[in-house]
Amino acid sequence: AQTVTQSQPEMSVQEAETVTLSCTYDTSENNYYLFWYKQPPSRQMILVIRQEAYKQQNATENRFSVNFQKAAKSFSLKISDSQLGDTAMYFCAFPTGANSKLTFGKGITLSVRP
Amino acid sequence: DARVTQTPRHKVTEMGQEVTMRCQPILGHNTVFWYRQTMMQGLELLAYFRNRAPLDDSGMPKDRFSAEMPDATLATLKIQPSEPRDSAVYFCASGLVVTGGVNEQFFGPGTRLTVL
Repeated sequence: AQTVTQSQPEMSVQEAETVTLSCTYDTSENNYYLFWYKQPPSRQMILVIRQEAYKQQNATENRFSVNFQKAAKSFSLKISDSQLGDTAMYFCAFPTGANSKLTFGKGITLSVRP
Repeated sequence: DARVTQTPRHKVTEMGQEVTMRCQPILGHNTVFWYRQTMMQGLELLAYFRNRAPLDDSGMPKDRFSAEMPDATLATLKIQPSEPRDSAVYFCASGLVVTGGVNEQFFGPGTRLTVL
């Protein structure tokens, strides 16, 4: 069975600093995608970034980047120049099976301090 | 700007009452998912549909929950009778799922359900 593990329940970072959120997963598949979703206090689930497993290059979206290590099955999210609006819960997600149902980690609550 | 819509956004009801939540997926998406989010269990997949056909509802309590897609623009999740333990936020998500594709899911704003 595919699993997604986020072992850090909470993190805090000073505004303008960099923070890394960890995620590990387990799968027997070879080609797949990984996602990070953000859920701010509004509860809306927003896709932050995606990574294709067959690409060695780490994905980047503005201040957000990933450190993808396929052999280690690790998929961490780095947020640079943290902003107050980054305060949210962050979920690592992994689509499993032919129908791509998402398996989510438990989430990490990130607080950005002014 | 295409987006998934859900109604109602908030629902407060009493134990034993029927609750119906509605979702309009993004036009052109072939797969619709229902998730439930609670503090204790996190995000759980309840059911999902492909081209309106139910594929998997193993995440749902069968005796009280039912999910349907009467047409391509509407998905419903019904709880009858509702219980306090059903209190949660229910999300609908849709996506265009193709073999080998990105298969990203787009989430609606959720329905916050409180059962007293």
